[in-house]
Amino acid sequence: DQQVKQNSPSLSVQEGRISILNCDYTNSMFDYFLWYKKYPAEGPTFLISISSIKDKNEDGRFTVFLNKSAKHLSLHIVPSQPGDSAVYFCAAAGGGSNYKLTFGKGTLLTVNP
Amino acid sequence: NAGVMQNPRHLVRRRGQEARLRCSPMKGHSHVYWYRQLPEEGLKFMVYLQKENIIDESGMPKERFSAEFPKEGPSILRIQQVVRGDSAAYFCASSPDRVGGYTFGSGTRLTVV
Repeated sequence: DQQVKQNSPSLSVQEGRISILNCDYTNSMFDYFLWYKKYPAEGPTFLISISSIKDKNEDGRFTVFLNKSAKHLSLHIVPSQPGDSAVYFCAAAGGGSNYKLTFGKGTLLTVNP
Repeated sequence: NAGVMQNPRHLVRRRGQEARLRCSPMKGHSHVYWYRQLPEEGLKFMVYLQKENIIDESGMPKERFSAEFPKEGPSILRIQQVVRGDSAAYFCASSPDRVGGYTFGSGTRLTVV
């Protein structure tokens, strides 16, 4: 039972364009959402988060949008850079256990020069 | 200011042997979390510990797996009598408090042969 789904295993974009990574969740108790970036042979690195009281959070080139009614969130990267090429994981927490993250399977983003 | 340190980075064990994975949290962090990533999967929560206490072990397999975070020294994830299915990347994370945007280590890649 996958509670956090990233339906696109991979995404390829041109440098300078927008990258949009999507994530869906099924558990209504989730109220805190995070995006992590992971390079090969390294641990995940925290990128950006959003709580359910907001529908948008921005940090530099990264913006996360949350649509609670659709149980959907997305990460926008503008402009995309070759160094952004990595696996991106969506994660969610809630129900009083914000320490316990449920991860999606990840999306491999490739930004072509 | 060292990050979360995990060792060893790679560990090979024969079936039936014991595996010990170590995690030193970031300085000032007293909350430690272990996650496991199977091939082609997202990270899955295993256990949450504070110094000398297991707070949540709901993700730990019932047998052969144990974790500790002693008053002195690193956190240890111990797997007894390893089987092929234990082959995975094991990530440790730490945080200064009980929230989900924590810092991950680079992981230990366990291979059972």
